[in-house]
Amino acid sequence: DVKVTQSSRYLVKRTGEKVFLECVQDMDHENMFWYRQDPGLGLRLIYFSYDVKMKEKGDIPEGYSVSREKKERFSLILESASTNQTSMYLCASSLTGTFTTNEKLFFGSGTQLSVL
Amino acid sequence: AQSVAQPEDQVNVAEGNPLTVKCTYSVSGNPYLFWYVQYPNRGLQFLLKYITGDNLVKGSYGFEAEFNKSQTSFHLKKPSALVSDSALYFCAVRDEIGDDKIIFGKGTRLHILP
Repeated sequence: DVKVTQSSRYLVKRTGEKVFLECVQDMDHENMFWYRQDPGLGLRLIYFSYDVKMKEKGDIPEGYSVSREKKERFSLILESASTNQTSMYLCASSLTGTFTTNEKLFFGSGTQLSVL
Repeated sequence: AQSVAQPEDQVNVAEGNPLTVKCTYSVSGNPYLFWYVQYPNRGLQFLLKYITGDNLVKGSYGFEAEFNKSQTSFHLKKPSALVSDSALYFCAVRDEIGDDKIIFGKGTRLHILP
């Protein structure tokens, strides 16, 4: 089975800190995604990447950046954490960028980030 | 840009009764539609998808969904609900035209009452 691993399950940071959230997938997937999940707002796409060193903004990229230096790893960076970035962060990966019958997202277990 | 709406925040169904969780979408091209489920304290799991072909799609745990192009809907259904179906359900859409974004709805919490 595909495994998507997020480095931390819970994280507590202070306002203004630089925060790195790491995600690794083991199935050679081209696409990787970062979402945040908030009650009543569902999942909102922050950034996604369809290849190494490629990135695309999602619907709420402000305050975030990403890095994809290797195919298996997709990092989400909060340059200067703020309290409104307290949320559950979910990483996901999927097969090729073209639509296939095998397409679906595989999710990590999430990182609950609290910014104090 | 694509969008998806789940009009109900919560759905309550008695055990054994049929259930429906609603989803409507908006895309420029053809839609690629998905349902995911999130059980308490667990990650999101794939349930089913519509890419092309039959409008009725069958998925995991006895769930199915019907693609209706004229109504731009993709409602999730199950003939007989189980208490263990209680969870948070997300509909998602990807547009055939444009980038590879997959956009999720706000989620519907399903409560199955014993």
